[in-house]
Amino acid sequence: QTVVTQEPSFSVSPGGTVTLTCALSSGSVSTNSYVSWYQQTPGQAPRTLIYGTNTRSSGVPDRFSGSILGNRAALTITGAQVDDESDYYCVLYMGSGIWLFGGGTKLTVL
Amino acid sequence: QVRLVQSGAEVKKPGASVRVSCRASRNTFTTNFRHWVRQAPGQGLEWMAVINPTDGSTAYAQKFQGRLTVTRDTTTSTFYMDLGSLRSEDTAIYYCSLSLNNAFDIWGPGTVVIVSS
Repeated sequence: QTVVTQEPSFSVSPGGTVTLTCALSSGSVSTNSYVSWYQQTPGQAPRTLIYGTNTRSSGVPDRFSGSILGNRAALTITGAQVDDESDYYCVLYMGSGIWLFGGGTKLTVL
Repeated sequence: QVRLVQSGAEVKKPGASVRVSCRASRNTFTTNFRHWVRQAPGQGLEWMAVINPTDGSTAYAQKFQGRLTVTRDTTTSTFYMDLGSLRSEDTAIYYCSLSLNNAFDIWGPGTVVIVSS
């Protein structure tokens, strides 16, 4: 059974840069995966950050960027702010209408 | 900006079924796919199913096959998620999401479902 893997946790200093990744247990992530990224703070619904691998959703600051790095999808935060401390999820399209979320990364900014 | 409105919290006994509804605050995006995603307490997001409003076609995560049905009412543009044979592990927040860009672009506020005897 295919699994989407994200780093369970990551820490970054304010103003620093961090790259979160999203990998498939079998195969490579590509643009055909329709990669998207979501930010979620406790008690809130997820917020869409990136869709189509690298397109920022409306209102998302440009310090958030998406890409494919090797065989993984990546979300990079450049100039991290304290408010960026959240859980981050990727989701991949697996084909035949099926989607799969990663387990999420808990980002700490301190 | 369109919002998604979901039905209220539910408390169910094991073995029962639950229905959660979702509709847009404005009658727009009527042909955009709707997804259902859940999140158990302290856990991550889990994709459950998607429905194409145009023809009612659906796709389901394998783990829910046989006890999950998603439907739509075209007259009211309301979408429904029916989950049966509930067990305690189904206690979660259930979100509907509207797809605009082959993504989960707009999220509902979530519906809490508690399964407890």
